[in-house]
Amino acid sequence: QQPVQSPQAVILREGEDAVINCSSSKALYSVHWYRQKHGEAPVFLMILLKGGEQKGHDKISASFNEKKQQSSLYLTASQLSYSGTYFCGTPGGTSNTGKLIFGQGTTLQVKP
Amino acid sequence: NAGVTQTPKFRVLKTGQSMTLLCAQDMNHEYMYWYRQDPGMGLRLIHYSVGEGTTAKGEVPDGYNVSRLKKQNFLLGLESAAPSQTSVYFCASSYPGLAGVGSLYEQFFGPGTRLTVL
Repeated sequence: QQPVQSPQAVILREGEDAVINCSSSKALYSVHWYRQKHGEAPVFLMILLKGGEQKGHDKISASFNEKKQQSSLYLTASQLSYSGTYFCGTPGGTSNTGKLIFGQGTTLQVKP
Repeated sequence: NAGVTQTPKFRVLKTGQSMTLLCAQDMNHEYMYWYRQDPGMGLRLIHYSVGEGTTAKGEVPDGYNVSRLKKQNFLLGLESAAPSQTSVYFCASSYPGLAGVGSLYEQFFGPGTRLTVL
């Protein structure tokens, strides 16, 4: 049931773009994205909802394909501050518990 | 607001010892969660609570117990620590919204507790 993220790791130069994918084997009605810097706690980036609504970050965009049960995170014109590990989280069980099952993470390194 | 706080930040235990990790939040959130994070495994849910006095098992509950006696606190206990429980433990909380659909709202994470079991 754990969503699968790809790629596992990405190395970029400042200003380059990256796409991180999150695929689930079950139907989704929402997908969460979080970023974790080394030695710190995960921090919320955004939630994508069935129907196209998006809540969260104003500089990072994402898409949600319900049919493909997949979400993609788009990091454009990446900055050094984008470095970290990105996790997607999908609902685990019923919606009223708030439970999330997280993917294994994608490590992004942005170099000057 | 302090947000979500965890104590202690670091702990070293010997196999068989017990300990309790404390999570506290000052955001009046109904939902609270305990995760463990191991290299390459992402965040795995241990136990969670949807309100004061309620707890439920997550993905990896074995070897852990929890209690939610007060809304703002969520305790994680290890009764007999094992080396396999060496990990970083994160607590998180979230707001269920007026409709009670918790998965529509972000989770706020604490700074983590790094636990080593020898």
